[in-house]
Amino acid sequence: AQSVTQLDSQVPVFEEAPVELRCNYSSSVSVYLFWYVQYPNQGLQLLLKYLSGSTLVKGINGFEAEFNKSQTSFHLRKPSVHISDTAEYFCAVSYGGATNKLIFGTGTLLAVQP
Amino acid sequence: DAGVIQSPRHEVTEMGQEVTLRCKPISGHDYLFWYRQTMMRGLELLIYFNNNVPIDDSGMPEDRFSAKMPNASFSTLKIQPSEPRDSAVYFCASSFASGGTTEQYFGPGTRLTVT
Repeated sequence: AQSVTQLDSQVPVFEEAPVELRCNYSSSVSVYLFWYVQYPNQGLQLLLKYLSGSTLVKGINGFEAEFNKSQTSFHLRKPSVHISDTAEYFCAVSYGGATNKLIFGTGTLLAVQP
Repeated sequence: DAGVIQSPRHEVTEMGQEVTLRCKPISGHDYLFWYRQTMMRGLELLIYFNNNVPIDDSGMPEDRFSAKMPNASFSTLKIQPSEPRDSAVYFCASSFASGGTTEQYFGPGTRLTVT
């Protein structure tokens, strides 16, 4: 079955430290990968997406992610986090076709401490 | 554009009552999605429409839930009768084009509490 796994439910980190949020998906021939962020009491908004081309994708707010086909991963990274980055982060995958349907991971809460 | 609009933002109702959640997608978008978010189950896709036609409703929990999209600018999600376990945040999202390559734009959500 198609699935997305975010192994870490919560990641505590100190301000200005680097962070990596992990995401793995079940293998498929073609995938489109997304990271969304949800701030408290808000809807989800797109951070970045991988459709094709360069495996290193840059998004908003200084985040980037790397697509690794052999490891079926799409980990999210930021070299230096801010308090304002505290939010829930969701990895999502679309397995192509004409459905536009996304499968979301369970989310990772990034808790940035001063 | 104002983005995806949902109403109401908060709804508190008693068990057994009918609840109707409303969504206005972004103009020009041809896909509309309804999601439910809870602590226990995370973000679940309930149903989605393409050009106002329901494509996949396999995520709808049971017959108490129904969704309609009478035109390109309006959709409803109805729960009748409501139960306490329906308490959740319900999100509507819309997108344009096909192929799974475009982002979904989410509304602010409706927080439903059933007592």
